[in-house]
Amino acid sequence: EAEVAQSPRYKITEKSQAVAFWCDPISGHATLYWYRQILGQGPELLVQFQDESVVDDSQLPKDRFSAERLKGVDSTLKIQPAELGDSAMYLCASSSEVRSTIYFGEGSWLTVV
Amino acid sequence: AQSVAQPEDQVNVAEGNPLTVKCTYSVSGNPYLFWYVQYPNRGLQFLLKYITGDNLVKGSYGFEAEFNKSQTSFHLKKPSALVSDSALYFCAVRDGRDYKLSFGAGTTVTVRA
Repeated sequence: EAEVAQSPRYKITEKSQAVAFWCDPISGHATLYWYRQILGQGPELLVQFQDESVVDDSQLPKDRFSAERLKGVDSTLKIQPAELGDSAMYLCASSSEVRSTIYFGEGSWLTVV
Repeated sequence: AQSVAQPEDQVNVAEGNPLTVKCTYSVSGNPYLFWYVQYPNRGLQFLLKYITGDNLVKGSYGFEAEFNKSQTSFHLKKPSALVSDSALYFCAVRDGRDYKLSFGAGTTVTVRA
């Protein structure tokens, strides 16, 4: 069964350092999402791509977060500099088209110390 | 704006008993409704969805959900719960005219042996 791949699974970083997460969506899925899930809460959308284009980044803190999907396949989410409040699970997800089911990866846990 | 409410933070049931996890939603257009399950330190797994058609939707692992338009509800049900069903369950809604998926805060289900 096809899966959304994410790495690393766990990352501990110091405040003010840079951190990056990688995602490879299910093959053929044109729509890619990055969500942030704070412990005890539901996921919140950070950014959505349609192919290589950003469709929605209204909730992305653009002063420190950036996301790219250069060839319309895999994607990288970067945080620089990391802050204590960024500690959360970062979930990548994909769907075949905008209105179809969204499938999630295993997530990347970030702890900022 | 669309929103989801999961009125119960926790649901506790004995193994073999029926399980119900409640969800109500608010959208301006036609609702697309989803249930996901999350095990500790894992990503979200898709269980089932309602787009249109029969109000009773069957999904993975013996789960089903009933769409009730008049009550704007989409409760998740399982006739006979297993200990392995213990997890965090999320209801999500998407407005049929939009792509953004909004999640509830989640309900922790504990099934005791």
